[in-house]
Amino acid sequence: QKEVEQDPGPLSVPEGAIVSLNCTYSNSAFQYFMWYRQYSRKGPELLMYTYSSGNKEDGRFTAQVDKSSKYISLFIRDSQPSDSATYLCAPLAPMDSSYKLIFGSGTRLLVRP
Amino acid sequence: DGGITQSPKYLFRKEGQNVTLSCEQNLNHDAMYWYRQDPGQGLRLIYYSQIVNDFQKGDIAEGYSVSREKKESFPLTVTSAQKNPTAFYLCASSRQENSPLHFGNGTRLTVT
Repeated sequence: QKEVEQDPGPLSVPEGAIVSLNCTYSNSAFQYFMWYRQYSRKGPELLMYTYSSGNKEDGRFTAQVDKSSKYISLFIRDSQPSDSATYLCAPLAPMDSSYKLIFGSGTRLLVRP
Repeated sequence: DGGITQSPKYLFRKEGQNVTLSCEQNLNHDAMYWYRQDPGQGLRLIYYSQIVNDFQKGDIAEGYSVSREKKESFPLTVTSAQKNPTAFYLCASSRQENSPLHFGNGTRLTVT
C-alpha cells in the first residue's frame, strides 16, 4: 500500500464549478499537510500548508484535514481555467532527525471555459 | 527575486556518461533536496542536505551523487550506474526541516 494515495484523474469541470480534490494516507504520525500545484513542465508551487485536523482557507482555496480517517481534501471555489494543473498532496513525515515530504502521484484537473 | 534556479531546462546524454544538474538558491535556506518525478508517480527523494558539507541519502539514491560545498548550491550528478536516468529532476529548498519546500522549475534529462 502506498503511503499517500490520490486519484490521478483527469478531473474535468466547467468554469465556476466547485472542485474537490482528495488524498488518503496511511501513517498516523503525519501532522503537517501540504498541497502543491504543478503546471506542465514546471516545478510544484506551494498552495496550502496545514497542521493537524481542521480547515484552512486562503481565497478560493480551502484545505481540510481529517486525521481520524486519514483523509485530506482541497476545495477550489469558482474554479478558473488557470486552475488547470496537477495537484499534489504531501504530508510531512518524520525521518531520522529530520522530516521529508511524501508526495501523492497527483490529480490532474482541467477547468473548461 | 528570490528563488531556485535549475539549469539547464533540458539535457540530453548518451548512455554511459555522467551528467551534472545544477541547482542554485538565493533564499538563504539551510536545507536543500533533490527529487525525481516520473509519469504517474509521486516525487521521490534522491538526496537531501540540511547544512553545508553534509548530505544524506533519500529513498532512491543509488546511481546518484551530490555535493554541498556552498549554502546556495546543491548539484546532482547522475552517474552511469543509474539504470533508468531519464526523468524530470526537481531541486527544492526549505528554511528548516519541517518547513514547506520551494521548488525550482526542474531539469528534464533524456538519456539514449
